[in-house]
Amino acid sequence: DTGVSQNPRHKITKRGQNVTFRCDPISEHNRLYWYRQTLGQGPEFLTYFQNEAQLEKSRLLSDRFSAERPKGSFSTLEIQRTEQGDSAMYLCASSHSGGGAFVETQYFGPGTRLLVL
Amino acid sequence: AQTVTQSQPEMSVQEAETVTLSCTYDTSESDYYLFWYKQPPSRQMILVIRQEAYKQQNATENRFSVNFQKAAKSFSLKISDSQLGDAAMYFCAYLARWGAQKLVFGQGTRLTINP
Repeated sequence: DTGVSQNPRHKITKRGQNVTFRCDPISEHNRLYWYRQTLGQGPEFLTYFQNEAQLEKSRLLSDRFSAERPKGSFSTLEIQRTEQGDSAMYLCASSHSGGGAFVETQYFGPGTRLLVL
Repeated sequence: AQTVTQSQPEMSVQEAETVTLSCTYDTSESDYYLFWYKQPPSRQMILVIRQEAYKQQNATENRFSVNFQKAAKSFSLKISDSQLGDAAMYFCAYLARWGAQKLVFGQGTRLTINP
C-alpha cells in the first residue's frame, strides 16, 4: 500500500498528558499537511511542510502543538498538556510540488482519532 | 479570508437516481481550485473531482460532474446513477493557487443512498 499512513489510528489519553502522532506520506511527495476535524465539521488546516521546512502554521496551532518533519519524509505532531477540547480527528495529507504555481492534489491518510478524558 | 459554505447538512437519494450537492464559496482571488472530497464512514477522505477556476469547462469524472459558476461563486456536484457505495460525507474545498497551500473546507453534506 503506497498511500498516506498514520499511526496510531486511535488514541485515548487523560487530560494533561502528552501525545504524539506520526504521518508517513506517499514516498515521492515533498509536501505534507496536518488538518484537524471535529465531529460533524470539515477539516481545518493546522500546518504544512515543504520538505523539512514548516512553511505555514494556523492560529489553531497553539504553543502546546508542535510539528516536525526532520528529514523531509515522515512527520510527527505532538500535543503537550492535552485538553478535552483537543479531542478530534487529526488528518495528514501529502502532495507533490514540482515548483511554480501548479497545484497538486492533496491525498489524505486515514487519520488519528484522539479522545482526551 | 476564504470561506466555503455547504447549506445542505443531509441529502438522500434513491439508488440509480441523480442528486446534486450544493457549495458556495467566497474569495477575492481570481485564480484558485475547487475540489469535492468524499469521506465514507470510518474511512479516509478521497478526491472525487477537481476544477481549475481558469477553465470554463465543467469537470467530469465518470458519474460525477460539477456545475461551476465562477461569477456566482457556486460549485455544485452532480452524482448520476447513484450507487450504495456513494453513501458518505461530501466536502467541498477551496485552494488558492498562490500562497499557502491550505485547503479550506465546507461543513460537509451527508449523503444517504436508499436502496
